[in-house]
Amino acid sequence: GAGVSQTPSNKVTEKGKYVELRCDPISGHTALYWYRQSLGQGPEFLIYFQGTGAADDSGLPNDRFFAVRPEGSVSTLKIQRTERGDSAVYLCASSLVTSNTQYFGPGTRLTVL
Amino acid sequence: AQSVTQLGSHVSVSEGALVLLRCNYSSSVPPYLFWYVQYPNQGLQLLLKYTTGATLVKGINGFEAEFKKSETSFHLTKPSAHMSDAAEYFCAVSVRFSGGYNKLIFGAGTRLAVHP
Repeated sequence: GAGVSQTPSNKVTEKGKYVELRCDPISGHTALYWYRQSLGQGPEFLIYFQGTGAADDSGLPNDRFFAVRPEGSVSTLKIQRTERGDSAVYLCASSLVTSNTQYFGPGTRLTVL
Repeated sequence: AQSVTQLGSHVSVSEGALVLLRCNYSSSVPPYLFWYVQYPNQGLQLLLKYTTGATLVKGINGFEAEFKKSETSFHLTKPSAHMSDAAEYFCAVSVRFSGGYNKLIFGAGTRLAVHP
């Protein structure tokens, strides 16, 4: 079946702009995670959704970052007033809520100029 | 708090040689442990995982890892490297929360190069 998909694959923006990154999880996976992978580092947890609600947003770095999942499927990560330090690969993962295995999408590479 | 340390940010082996990628973890509870592989410009692919039971875990592409509680290690091995194994490898520990979900805590990764 189809895996986790993310769009766009690459996004280049200017400092101060607003961006949206989209994640389409595996069908039937109610658990959805966002991670951020900075250059030369492992992914770091940002936020977890169970269904439509953000059950854990403790990894969001500041209030410029926000994510939604209005219908319990597709999720959008929103970044306001982007800064150069936001440049990274943003990864989305999904899983069955009963499973400890997360399946990752290909990521969105965000570059803030 | 849980953490993961991967010793060696870069490892280079000859084709056909043994691959050994080291991972040590810190966890206050029995851990779930994972190895993921990331090929250039791709997402993370699960290689193998340890949850409970047998401490020697076999994964895809001929990789295996052994959970050693006394050493808090979960090293990844493959007897004979192929050129196609060149990639970045991430070790991760899973932190399970009362809501039933898991956060993955990743190491910094090890880039494996395979040369002819």
